[in-house]
Amino acid sequence: DSGVTQTPKHLITATGQRVTLRCSPRSGDLSVYWYQQSLDQGLQFLIQYYNGEERAKGNILERFSAQQFPDLHSELNLSSLELGDSALYFCASSGARGDTQYFGPGTRLTVL
Amino acid sequence: DAKTTQPPSMDCAEGRAANLPCNHSTISGNEYVYWYRQIHSQGPQYIIHGLKNNETNEMASLIITEDRKSSTLILPHATLRDTAVYYCIVRAIFMYSGGGADGLTFGKGTHLIIQP
Repeated sequence: DSGVTQTPKHLITATGQRVTLRCSPRSGDLSVYWYQQSLDQGLQFLIQYYNGEERAKGNILERFSAQQFPDLHSELNLSSLELGDSALYFCASSGARGDTQYFGPGTRLTVL
Repeated sequence: DAKTTQPPSMDCAEGRAANLPCNHSTISGNEYVYWYRQIHSQGPQYIIHGLKNNETNEMASLIITEDRKSSTLILPHATLRDTAVYYCIVRAIFMYSGGGADGLTFGKGTHLIIQP
């Protein structure tokens, strides 16, 4: 158990809809990272937040957005969903030193 | 971050040591070698990391060559539960104001299969 929690575990929705994925980092960790893992693209970094502020962006689509709240939990919002957005979405967290990232169990999103 | 090269798959007998190689010939002086593994759709699990010295923890040992252009992850007594995709990642750790670092770049990794 990494100490990072993600909800929900599974999510099934339709094209065009909007969903929100939630992540709670390990106690004391200030950085949260979001990753997408699809069959054809592998694990890809989407975005990082540090103490409420956006720190780095990876291959995140404009339809996707994220935020980190004062209690340090983070939400990833996916809108105008397409079939190709079906994937595993992982959240990771790290401490102030920013070295080792610890991953949550993921949310499996299925877009029908 | 420097590019890494790993064999796509490897087999190892249960109870034997599993040695997973990784080439990172373009590694820079400030870049660390990290190893993660992912067991069938679970979240990636941190294993170990190092800069230039060999490292050991309760999960594995990391051997980095003197020129730092390659490394080997050693699982001393592999079990069936060690079957997973193992990722070797090279990255710089930098501290900017307030700390933190950017995302990890995962390649395709090595699919390690432990045979009973």
